[in-house]
Amino acid sequence: DQQVKQNSPSLSVQEGRISILNCDYTNSMFDYFLWYKKYPAEGPTFLISISSIKDKNEDGRFTVFLNKSAKHLSLHIVPSQPGDSAVYFCAASDGSARQLTFGSGTQLTVLP
Amino acid sequence: DSGVTQTPKHLITATGQRVTLRCSPRSGDLSVYWYQQSLDQGLQFLIQYYNGEERAKGNILERFSAQQFPDLHSELNLSSLELGDSALYFCASSVRGGGEEKLFFGSGTQLSVL
Repeated sequence: DQQVKQNSPSLSVQEGRISILNCDYTNSMFDYFLWYKKYPAEGPTFLISISSIKDKNEDGRFTVFLNKSAKHLSLHIVPSQPGDSAVYFCAASDGSARQLTFGSGTQLTVLP
Repeated sequence: DSGVTQTPKHLITATGQRVTLRCSPRSGDLSVYWYQQSLDQGLQFLIQYYNGEERAKGNILERFSAQQFPDLHSELNLSSLELGDSALYFCASSVRGGGEEKLFFGSGTQLSVL
């Protein structure tokens, strides 16, 4: 049973527009959420995180929104750039868990 | 560069064989994690070590084992390999191993079992 789901395997967006990547989770014990970005032939790299006590966290062009009642989070990238083309993984943990539970990833392609 | 080093980058072997994947964490990180990424799958957590001790276990098969050595490098041993074990294996490290910490990943070892 997947506790973290990314239902869109791929997303294409025009350069300069907004990219919205979605993630749903089922475990109500999750209280910390992260997004990782992965380029081909590289390991995932941390992008942005959010604690369950917040509903929004912003870092430059990247904003993560958390809707706890819907068990949903989203990553907004504005404006999107070709260099943002990568696989984006959503991940979650609870306070006591030592490991992150990852989604299956969304391939974002930003078209010039 | 994340500072996490994984070797080898690629490994091709046959069914029934045994292989060892190696990971050196970032300097100062005490915790090491192993993840498996199969085709079209997310990152599946296998196991975590903290300062030489096993701290958490995920979906790790009995044919797989790992350890973390006094110098904090870690090895993942995969034995009696099957075709389905073909995957990208990632190592990650963090300072303390808490659930809220961000992980730093190596570039992975691509294992192909033929």
